[in-house]
Amino acid sequence: DVKVTQSSRYLVKRTGEKVFLECVQDMDHENMFWYRQDPGLGLRLIYFSYDVKMKEKGDIPEGYSVSREKKERFSLILESASTNQTSMYLCASSLIGNGEQFFGPGTRLTVL
Amino acid sequence: DAKTTQPPSMDCAEGRAANLPCNHSTISGNEYVYWYRQIHSQGPQYIIHGLKNNETNEMASLIITEDRKSSTLILPHATLRDTAVYYCIVSALEAGSYQLTFGKGTKLSVIP
Repeated sequence: DVKVTQSSRYLVKRTGEKVFLECVQDMDHENMFWYRQDPGLGLRLIYFSYDVKMKEKGDIPEGYSVSREKKERFSLILESASTNQTSMYLCASSLIGNGEQFFGPGTRLTVL
Repeated sequence: DAKTTQPPSMDCAEGRAANLPCNHSTISGNEYVYWYRQIHSQGPQYIIHGLKNNETNEMASLIITEDRKSSTLILPHATLRDTAVYYCIVSALEAGSYQLTFGKGTKLSVIP
């Protein structure tokens, strides 16, 4: 069974902390994505990566960075967490040239 | 700007067909129509996609009008487990991936 896993289901951090959200996929997919989901706003793309060490900004990259050192792992980094980054974060992966994205279960991040 | 328009909510009786409409009047020739759904507290799940021909898989059927300006997702025999938010997305291949812009979707409630 194909799988995308995320490091935490729930996370609570304080304003100003550096936060790492980890995503791992076991499908040998080239593409990986980070979204955030907020009530009334739907899912919005933060960053995506189409290869190791490659990254592209999505619709809302401000305040975030990403890292992809290995094909199976894509990390989202909040350099200095703020309360407006409280959200559900979803990771996804897909084969290159394929629009079928497989999503992880999500991490609900609360920044106090 | 939203590329698709969907009704915010629909009800369907259990065992009946659920027909979910989507308008995408500004779709481009190289854009596919994708459908995903999101069950409460889970990540989105791919259902089906198509370019211009009707498509069917084990989950659903996708009917695309000849002018491609609208489509309908059909769940032939809805069950309670089909209660979810359904997203209609149009997307073209760009930089090796299909970037999916999730709108607000249609909340489908399957009624016993």
